[in-house]
Formats: sequence, structure tokens, C-alpha cells
Amino acid sequence: TQLLEQSPQFLSIQEGENLTVYCNSSSVFSSLQWYRQEPGEGPVLLVTVVTGGEVKKLKRLTFQFGDARKDSSLHITAAQPGDTGLYLCAVPTYSGYSTLTFGKGTMLLVSP
Amino acid sequence: GAVVSQHPSRVICKSGTSVKIECRSLDFQATTMFWYRQFPKQSLMLMATSNEGSKATYEQGVEKDKFLINHASLTLSTLTVTSAHPEDSSFYICSATTVAGSNQPQHFGDGTRLSIL
Repeated sequence: TQLLEQSPQFLSIQEGENLTVYCNSSSVFSSLQWYRQEPGEGPVLLVTVVTGGEVKKLKRLTFQFGDARKDSSLHITAAQPGDTGLYLCAVPTYSGYSTLTFGKGTMLLVSP
Repeated sequence: GAVVSQHPSRVICKSGTSVKIECRSLDFQATTMFWYRQFPKQSLMLMATSNEGSKATYEQGVEKDKFLINHASLTLSTLTVTSAHPEDSSFYICSATTVAGSNQPQHFGDGTRLSIL
């Protein structure tokens, strides 16, 4: 059983569209991180959320941590081709430790 | 800041060869380094966690004699894939963290694409 379920698995949209991707679990987490990975490169951290209901914004990206700290969403406004990549959510594998468990990711393709 | 360099970026070699991959933290001291494996269109699977000066902790199902990890200093960890076979072909990624703790970010290298013929 996958600890983190990410949806959709793949999303292909046109430049300028809005989108939301989800990271869901039945477990409660102390924190959750979102990463973006471009082909042939390592993941890059976008944000860490720690408080239930927390909303963080990074330019056109809005991240929300669920009130119960079991899920999170990433909303992109007016997507750009540069947003193309694999979006991964990750949570601590063991409470208090650095080890992370990743979801399977959402592959986003933004066409001009 | 927090740059992690991984070398080589790509390796193609014959079956039976041993391959060493280096992971360096360039501008910080990494208390812990992690090694991941990623198959095409799949997520990162943690292979092992290494702390400087101590033996690596391997995840269940990862053969420690197959994937040798050495973390000799606070800025360098190496992964050696011994007697590699085609099924070992994958994208190997390392990451490093400066401070232990669940909210601390991991800084990733750019990965090594390993292809075993």
C-alpha cells in the first residue's frame, strides 16, 4: 500500500491554464514537502508545510496542507512551459528523522 | 547555497563491472546523505541512509553487499554498484541534509544515469 497517493499521475495542459494536483494519505504527518524534478535532474525543494490548514505561496504556486495534516494540494495559476516537470510530495518516514518517503508524483506537461 | 554535486552524470558499462558514484556537498557539511534509485516514470525509492563515519542503514530489500556505501567525510559519500548487471540500470540520486530532523530539507544531486549492457 502506497503511503502517499498523488493524483493525477499525468497532466497535459496548455500554457495559461490553471491546475491542481493532490497528495493524499490516511496517515497524519508532522510536515510535508513538495519537490519538482525535471528530466535527468534531481528534485528541487519547493516548499515545506508544517501546520494544519497552512497555505504557502511561491509566485504562481499555492500550496495547502490539509487541516488534519493528512493531505496537501498544489495549485498552479496560469501555467508556463517552465512549470513542466514531475511534482513529488514527500513526508518524514519516521517522526523526527530526516528520512523521506515520496509519492509517485504527478508528471505535468505544459505546452506553449 | 546547499549545492550537492554528483559524479558521474552518466555511466555506460558492461555487465560485471563495478561502478562508483560520488556525492559531494560543495558548500556545507552534510550530517546525513541519502541514496535513492528511480526507475523510469516512477518515484524515488530510498536505498540507504549514511552518516559520516558510521555504517550505512539499508532499506529492506536492498543488498548491502551489492550496493556499497562509504561516507568518509562530511562532504563526500560514495555508492559502489558491485558486479553490475542490466537489472541494476537505473537513475541513482543522492541527497544531503545539514541538520537532522523531520522538517529539514534534503538537497539533491542531479543524479547518475547508469546503463549496464
